[in-house]
Amino acid sequence: DAKTTQPPSMDCAEGRAANLPCNHSTISGNEYVYWYRQIHSQGPQYIIHGLKNNETNEMASLIITEDRKSSTLILPHATLRDTAVYYCIVRVGADYGQNFVFGPGTRLSVLP
Amino acid sequence: GAVVSQHPSWVICKSGTSVKIECRSLDFQATTMFWYRQFPKQSLMLMATSNEGSKATYEQGVEKDKFLINHASLTLSTLTVTSAHPEDSSFYICSAVLQGNTGELFFGEGSRLTVL
Repeated sequence: DAKTTQPPSMDCAEGRAANLPCNHSTISGNEYVYWYRQIHSQGPQYIIHGLKNNETNEMASLIITEDRKSSTLILPHATLRDTAVYYCIVRVGADYGQNFVFGPGTRLSVLP
Repeated sequence: GAVVSQHPSWVICKSGTSVKIECRSLDFQATTMFWYRQFPKQSLMLMATSNEGSKATYEQGVEKDKFLINHASLTLSTLTVTSAHPEDSSFYICSAVLQGNTGELFFGEGSRLTVL
């Protein structure tokens, strides 16, 4: 079973920031938080990951709470192409044999 | 990010035939690859873990004789659906682990199999 819970769906206006929450209250100290998204009929795309500190890359920002029990993925200026299902996953980073368990994710709809 | 290529992207076959799907890590070596299956409007479900040079580990309920996995090199894993039936129609997705401190997983584009 997935170790995370996410809202099933969210809407966001084009050009506005999309903030996608994720709860992972049972996360262990050596588990990272990974975010992926899946656009219809494509393989999942890696977005970002983090352990404790907030992270930012060209796609998004990841805000992890101090107790690490929840996190938020931020798409700063959402476009129509960001419409996708977003998955939040926790996993031990260096355990290469450990599977990534996908929950239902959040279906983000970016509206014009 | 690292690139994983999957081929073919879609295939239609007759019931009873076998279909092979290839998964390649193009710019990195992957000792571990995962094969997922995804039915419409559902999330990804792990089928098996493929380890280079050894037998794959299958998830409960996945028939190893039906879904043959071969991981003969550090850049190639193959999934063969043997004696395919219409219920095997699905979206099959492979992924490869980028080894390092954080072990990100990178996915292929997926292969849509339709069995007539």
